[in-house]
Amino acid sequence: QKEVEQDPGPLSVPEGAIVSLNCTYSNSAFQYFMWYRQYSRKGPELLMYTYSSGNKEDGRFTAQVDKSSKYISLFIRDSQPSDSATYLCASLSDTGNQFYFGTGTSLTVIP
Amino acid sequence: DAGVTQSPTHLIKTRGQHVTLRCSPISGHKSVSWYQQVLGQGPQFIFQYYEKEERGRGNFPDRFSARQFPNYSSELNVNALLLGDSALYLCASSSLTGGSNSPLHFGNGTRLTVT
Repeated sequence: QKEVEQDPGPLSVPEGAIVSLNCTYSNSAFQYFMWYRQYSRKGPELLMYTYSSGNKEDGRFTAQVDKSSKYISLFIRDSQPSDSATYLCASLSDTGNQFYFGTGTSLTVIP
Repeated sequence: DAGVTQSPTHLIKTRGQHVTLRCSPISGHKSVSWYQQVLGQGPQFIFQYYEKEERGRGNFPDRFSARQFPNYSSELNVNALLLGDSALYLCASSSLTGGSNSPLHFGNGTRLTVT
């Protein structure tokens, strides 16, 4: 079992839609979670960084962690064509020296 | 402020050759990590360095090695290249060794093609 699992999609939505991206993780000791956005031929760009359970909001983005079910989510409100990218979830290992990444979900927002 | 910079951006090598990839972290960041990203997959951890010491190593063969310099820049070396080493190599820096308030900040990577 991989440490972090993510549905690769692809996901296609109309402009303005609410997007829900999801991951699961295997180790209940994980406490730090991140979401990255990666455009083609670019490095991952940090979007959200959360600790433990609960919600964190930043503009149109909301990150949610449910430790009881080992489930992490990213919601994008009022999606824009510029949001079209691959979204990667990640968890910090319990040893604190590496991050485990999901495979990424490819998102296309259609104008 | 400059982000994480990596060089070169692209590289084509032949099987059996060796390669050196370079990375400069964000100013003030003392930790550098290297990740390999194969097309269609998420990044896989290779190494973490902090204050010039190796703090973690992923499941990669000994052909992969790295080091960090006194100015916190880093090199990743890969010997005896195989076709399967073709990937995007990402360098990331963070302010601490890991843990609270120290997410990874990535460069745009070096795309290595082995023929």
